Amino acid sequence: GAGVSQTPSNKVTEKGKYVELRCDPISGHTALYWYRQSLGQGPEFLIYFQGTGAADDSGLPNDRFFAVRPEGSVSTLKIQRTERGDSAVYLCASSSGLAGRADTQYFGPGTRLTVL
Amino acid sequence: AQKITQTQPGMFVQEKEAVTLDCTYDTSDQSYGLFWYKQPSSGEMIFLIYQGSYDEQNATEGRYSLNFQKARKSANLVISASQLGDSAMYFCAMSRKDSSYKLIFGSGTRLLVRP
Repeated sequence: GAGVSQTPSNKVTEKGKYVELRCDPISGHTALYWYRQSLGQGPEFLIYFQGTGAADDSGLPNDRFFAVRPEGSVSTLKIQRTERGDSAVYLCASSSGLAGRADTQYFGPGTRLTVL
Repeated sequence: AQKITQTQPGMFVQEKEAVTLDCTYDTSDQSYGLFWYKQPSSGEMIFLIYQGSYDEQNATEGRYSLNFQKARKSANLVISASQLGDSAMYFCAMSRKDSSYKLIFGSGTRLLVRP
């Protein structure tokens, strides 16, 4: 498939545990975004990568959240000491990184995280 | 601060009729982009249409068109000839250049197409 893929599709964990969510962007896309969508709301920005570097992490809610993209392709969102309030759908999107404000972001199917 | 407002939590439309989903935005920027996405029950966000702030013509993509009124800061989505498969959540979003082109989303409108 040529689209953005995310694994796992569902993740159930216990409060206090560590989780990793993976995103595989569209091949050749240099820009990668993570968003979080709570029930009944629109997605909220978490972090943006241009290539390997996190160019904007202003949306990360606290230092329990961290993301990497070591080779400029696959990205992993890491959440330490999970809390019940972290339960949400985590969406990944990628774009070409070439068109500025017109750069269309293409989304993956998301990972539904449930913290018990 | 940038903000997107979608005032219609839910909308009904009869199959084959047209429907307009409202979106207003707040920004002090001159250069920005406006997007509409569809989110079916499966959860994936599907890109529908884009309008740039300097574009003079309203964007169109098949059955989707964007009614862009810059002075009123509105970017309404028009879906013509509604189909049952159009039933979904619809989100309006805006991008701007700061340190990224992150999208700011509205709260969405749930559209239900009646047969």
